[in-house]
Amino acid sequence: QKEVEQDPGPLSVPEGAIVSLNCTYSNSAFQYFMWYRQYSRKGPELLMYTYSSGNKEDGRFTAQVDKSSKYISLFIRDSQPSDSATYLCAMSGGAGGTSYGKLTFGQGTILTVHP
Amino acid sequence: DGGITQSPKYLFRKEGQNVTLSCEQNLNHDAMYWYRQDPGQGLRLIYYSQIVNDFQKGDIAEGYSVSREKKESFPLTVTSAQKNPTAFYLCASTYTGTDTQYFGPGTRLTVL
Repeated sequence: QKEVEQDPGPLSVPEGAIVSLNCTYSNSAFQYFMWYRQYSRKGPELLMYTYSSGNKEDGRFTAQVDKSSKYISLFIRDSQPSDSATYLCAMSGGAGGTSYGKLTFGQGTILTVHP
Repeated sequence: DGGITQSPKYLFRKEGQNVTLSCEQNLNHDAMYWYRQDPGQGLRLIYYSQIVNDFQKGDIAEGYSVSREKKESFPLTVTSAQKNPTAFYLCASTYTGTDTQYFGPGTRLTVL
């Protein structure tokens, strides 16, 4: 069983839809959670960073963490064709100790928003 | 402009050849990382370095080697021992003590 599971999709939605992207994890040591967006043939770019259970909002994006269920989500409101990309969740046990800031990634979800 | 550069963008290799991928950053980051990305498998850690002249194996280090002689540079060599080297290679960096990594644009390696 992988430490982080993410539905690879592909996910196709109409413009303006609310998108929900999800990851589950099995390692209780994960304390920090990130979402990266990756356009085709490009490097990932950091989209959201959270370190506690609850919601964090940034514009049209909301990151949600439920540590008790080991489940994280990214919501995209009013989705746009420019949101079409691969979305990767990533987790870390923290920069100290033995984790050395290493990230564990999900497989990535391919999202297409069509006009 | 501060950032991470990777070169070349595309690289073709014949079987049995070693190739070196370049990664340079001018962000003054201490830690640097190399990942491999294959379709449907997310990013897998090859090697990482927290400080100059020191580096550790990641989850899939076999067939790869690295060096860290300068803070700004972390080249990756894909050796002939790597059985399936065709992939997208990503370099990342961050400050020691943080875990939000910033990525370069990647190098796509194809073995002919």
